[in-house]
Amino acid sequence: NAGVTQTPKFRVLKTGQSMTLLCAQDMNHEYMYWYRQDPGMGLRLIHYSVGEGTTAKGEVPDGYNVSRLKKQNFLLGLESAAPSQTSVYFCASSYGQSREQFFGPGTRLTVL
Amino acid sequence: GQQVMQIPQYQHVQEGEDFTTYCNSSTTLSNIQWYKQRPGGHPVFLIQLVKSGEVKKQKRLTFQFGEAKKNSSLHITATQTTDVGTYFCAGPYAGGTSYGKLTFGQGTILTVHP
Repeated sequence: NAGVTQTPKFRVLKTGQSMTLLCAQDMNHEYMYWYRQDPGMGLRLIHYSVGEGTTAKGEVPDGYNVSRLKKQNFLLGLESAAPSQTSVYFCASSYGQSREQFFGPGTRLTVL
Repeated sequence: GQQVMQIPQYQHVQEGEDFTTYCNSSTTLSNIQWYKQRPGGHPVFLIQLVKSGEVKKQKRLTFQFGEAKKNSSLHITATQTTDVGTYFCAGPYAGGTSYGKLTFGQGTILTVHP
């Protein structure tokens, strides 16, 4: 039981490049979330999903897109990376409302 | 919009001293969760409080939920070097169905000097 996994762990991009971050969970959770973490700002929600085939915007969605084609996977895409997107990205999943969230190990992204 | 504020932002203690972090929400919360993130790690769930005035203990950690359900605290007695990390509180998004979405505080970074 791996829990929540994320790939890659580290990535360096140049401005304007694109990439996809993959999150996978093996706990059969319905709800999945993407956060970014910046110093002094806690965790901010980018996008979330309440089930396979559904996605919705969070607090800071601009510049990102997501897809949830399979229940266990939640993909975060950056179409044209900007230096402001340099951050640590965490994926999380939960059984449902008012339940704890399980976080993946994170992806450290640097955009030059 | 909803705000969840934590103080202090940083806390440096000597090993054996006590530590407290406070969490305040701009809105009434149905519940509050606490997470711990070790340096270089990811947030890990510690506990959830649901009832007004609730107090829960986990060994040296004591969690409280305020009577008005707008504030909470985490107190660690006799800190150890293993307590180092960032402690976050988080409350459900306000307004409508939260879908499990959480608003996190900025976190309190705890450093313990041996």
